[in-house]
Amino acid sequence: GESVGLHLPTLSVQEGDNSIINCAYSNSASDYFIWYKQESGKGPQFIIDIRSNMDKRQGQRVTVLLNKTVKHLSLQIAATQPGDSAVYFCAERSTGNQFYFGTGTSLTVIP
Amino acid sequence: DAGVIQSPRHEVTEMGQEVTLRCKPISGHNSLFWYRQTMMRGLELLIYFNNNVPIDDSGMPEDRFSAKMPNASFSTLKIQPSEPRDSAVYFCASSLQMGRFFGPGTRLTVL
Repeated sequence: GESVGLHLPTLSVQEGDNSIINCAYSNSASDYFIWYKQESGKGPQFIIDIRSNMDKRQGQRVTVLLNKTVKHLSLQIAATQPGDSAVYFCAERSTGNQFYFGTGTSLTVIP
Repeated sequence: DAGVIQSPRHEVTEMGQEVTLRCKPISGHNSLFWYRQTMMRGLELLIYFNNNVPIDDSGMPEDRFSAKMPNASFSTLKIQPSEPRDSAVYFCASSLQMGRFFGPGTRLTVL
């Protein structure tokens, strides 16, 4: 079956540095991907998405990169702030509009 | 836009009791999803509805779990009887075409 996994379960960065969170997916037929941020006690919050016909998409301080050749997705956060501390999930949309979520990476920003 | 609304936010009950979780999706969204999140398993899809019709309930763990969507603006997830292993955070999410927009979740503790 499909699986979505993260290379690093935890990540600590200094405030002001850039953060990169990685995600591997297994289904080459997946056509849509989302990054979510989940703060403690809250539900996952949509950050940014990308369709499979793109390899890069930028938002406010965030960039998602998609490498379909190696089935890899990354989230880059520029000038990381303490408020960015959270768990970040990637999700892939597979056949039948099914979404599969990664286990999450915990990002800690050190002031 | 109020987002996805869930109630209650916290529920503590004793084993054997019936638990009902409630969800109001974002107005205009035609798909609704129930997820369960635990430390061990991450986010698991329990069931999803499209236009109020259950499409896939293969994620519902047992017959003790049931879900209904009587109209486009309301859904319930019921556990009867509840067991300690049902303790988790239950999220409702809705979507129109792409993505998933999550509610704040209901933290369920079964003693």
